[in-house]
This record gives sequence, structure tokens and C-alpha cells, in this order.
Amino acid sequence: KNEVEQSPQNLTAQEGEFITINCSYSVGISALHWLQQHPGGGIVSLFMLSSGKKKHGRLIATINIQEKHSSLHITASHPRDSAVYICAVEKTSYDKVIFGPGTSLSVIP
Amino acid sequence: EPEVTQTPSHQVTQMGQEVILRCVPISNHLYFYWYRQILGQKVEFLVSFYNNEISEKSEIFDDQFSVERPDGSNFTLKIRSTKLEDSAMYFCASSTTGYPPFFGPGTRLTVL
Repeated sequence: KNEVEQSPQNLTAQEGEFITINCSYSVGISALHWLQQHPGGGIVSLFMLSSGKKKHGRLIATINIQEKHSSLHITASHPRDSAVYICAVEKTSYDKVIFGPGTSLSVIP
Repeated sequence: EPEVTQTPSHQVTQMGQEVILRCVPISNHLYFYWYRQILGQKVEFLVSFYNNEISEKSEIFDDQFSVERPDGSNFTLKIRSTKLEDSAMYFCASSTTGYPPFFGPGTRLTVL
């Protein structure tokens, strides 16, 4: 069983829709990260969370430590949001991180 | 805006050859990382480097791999005797106090 799982694996949305991507993990963590991988392969860090909720523009990330679950929400989705969104967890320290399989999002105009 | 750079963008090599992948982290960063992503698979942690030594490495990072910071700016990943399964995108990243890191654009390694 993978230590970090994401759902859905693939997601297609109409422009303007509210999108939720889920991440669940089975290990104790010190922090959780959401990353965005562009179609060209480049990776950008979006959020680092250890509790609660963070917001940046149209992106919102939440984490529930007790339930070992995090969600990434995108409000008013746009075609430029099309990318793979990756959840990654730090087990004990920032040194060794485990990546989820990614959720491929396609936003259609 | 400062960025992590990697060279080359694509490296093609024959099985058994040595390759060196180069990275220039952001200048005031202290923590350096290498990751790889085999085509169609998830990103995997390889190694982290701080204060001129390896601070953590994964099971993937075996004796055929080594990292070096030969001068004040470059951070290199050497693969001594490449295998077909080493074909992947290799990402370098750097950060000031740890995560979240800034990622480089990646080097695509193709082993024939």
C-alpha cells in the first residue's frame, strides 16, 4: 500500500468550476506539501502545511492531522490551472519526503 | 527572480557510461536536493545535501550515485555506470531553511 495516495487520479473540469483534489497518507508526518507540475515537467511548490488551512489566490489547502487527510481546492478554475498536482509528505524532517502519484487536472474552456 | 538552473536539459548516454548532471542552486540557499521522475511515474526523493555533506538519502541512491558541491555555486549528481532504468527526469532543488524548495527545470536522462 502506498504511503501517500491521491484522488482522483485524473480530473476534467469546465472552466469556472470549483475543484477539489484529495490526499491521504498513512504515516506520521511533520508537514505536507502541495506541488504543481506543469505539462512541460517543471515543478512549483504551492503550499507547505502542518495544520489548518492556507490560501493563496484561488488556491486553498487544508489538512486534518487526526484524519491524515489534506485537500487542495481551486476556485473559479481556469485552463491555465491544467497541470499535475502532487501531494508530498515529510515523515520526520524535511530531508526525506514521500511523493504521491499526482492528480492530473485538465480544465476545459 | 532567482531560479534554480540545470544543465543539460537533455542528456543521452550509452549504458555503462558515467554522466554528471549539473545544477546551480539559488545563491543564498543552504539545502540542496536531487529527485528523479521516471516517465509516467511519481517523483522520488534521491538525496539531500547540507553543510557539504549528505544529510539524507533514499534506497535508490546506491553506490553508483554521488553528489558534490565542487565550488560555491554548482551542485552535481554523478551516475557512475548508467543502466537503462536510470532513464528519467532528474530535478534539482534548493531551499533556505528546508521546504518548500525551489525546483529546477529538470534534466531528461536517456540511457540507450
